[in-house]
Amino acid sequence: GENVEQHPSTLSVQEGDSAVIKCTYSDSASNYFPWYKQELGKGPQLIIDIRSNVGEKKDQRIAVTLNKTAKHFSLHITETQPEDSAVYFCAASTYNDMRFGAGTRLTVKP
Amino acid sequence: DTAVSQTPKYLVTQMGNDKSIKCEQNLGHDTMYWYKQDSKKFLKIMFSYNNKELIINETVPNRFSPKSPDKAHLNLHINSLELGDSAVYFCASSTGLGNQHFGDGTRLSIL
Repeated sequence: GENVEQHPSTLSVQEGDSAVIKCTYSDSASNYFPWYKQELGKGPQLIIDIRSNVGEKKDQRIAVTLNKTAKHFSLHITETQPEDSAVYFCAASTYNDMRFGAGTRLTVKP
Repeated sequence: DTAVSQTPKYLVTQMGNDKSIKCEQNLGHDTMYWYKQDSKKFLKIMFSYNNKELIINETVPNRFSPKSPDKAHLNLHINSLELGDSAVYFCASSTGLGNQHFGDGTRLSIL
């Protein structure tokens, strides 16, 4: 089955700096790669996603890159703000089966 | 309107009891899921149903029994609760290959 590894487990940055979270996956059949943000007491919420036929996608301060050959994908957050502080999860999915990384706790210090 | 709603939000009970968690989605999705999130925040898939049929059943003790009366509902019944069952349980739904929409979780505490 799919195995998703996520690094780092914790990340602390100064407000305004960039944050990068990296994930690798094992199943070459995975073709959908979402990123979720989980705030305290809430369920994970999608922030950006990428499909296997695309190498890069950007949405304002958030970008995701995908290298299918190397089976890794990354989340980039620029100009971080204190409200970006949360736990972030990457995931790799085939039809009806999504597997999550272990999560990264991001802290943005004002 | 809440897209994926689960009840109750908090559940505190004694070891050995039987309890149920309910989940409903109003997004018209065909697939629903149950996840367990432990104290280290790891999200582990437990079950997945597509059009009321079980499609994923991970290595979960058979004390856990999901039930899907229709496409919009997926309930989780847990028998003989144990201390290790303490966790946050999330319900989610999706169209299959796409974003999963999560409920806000049910925090289960076993005394």
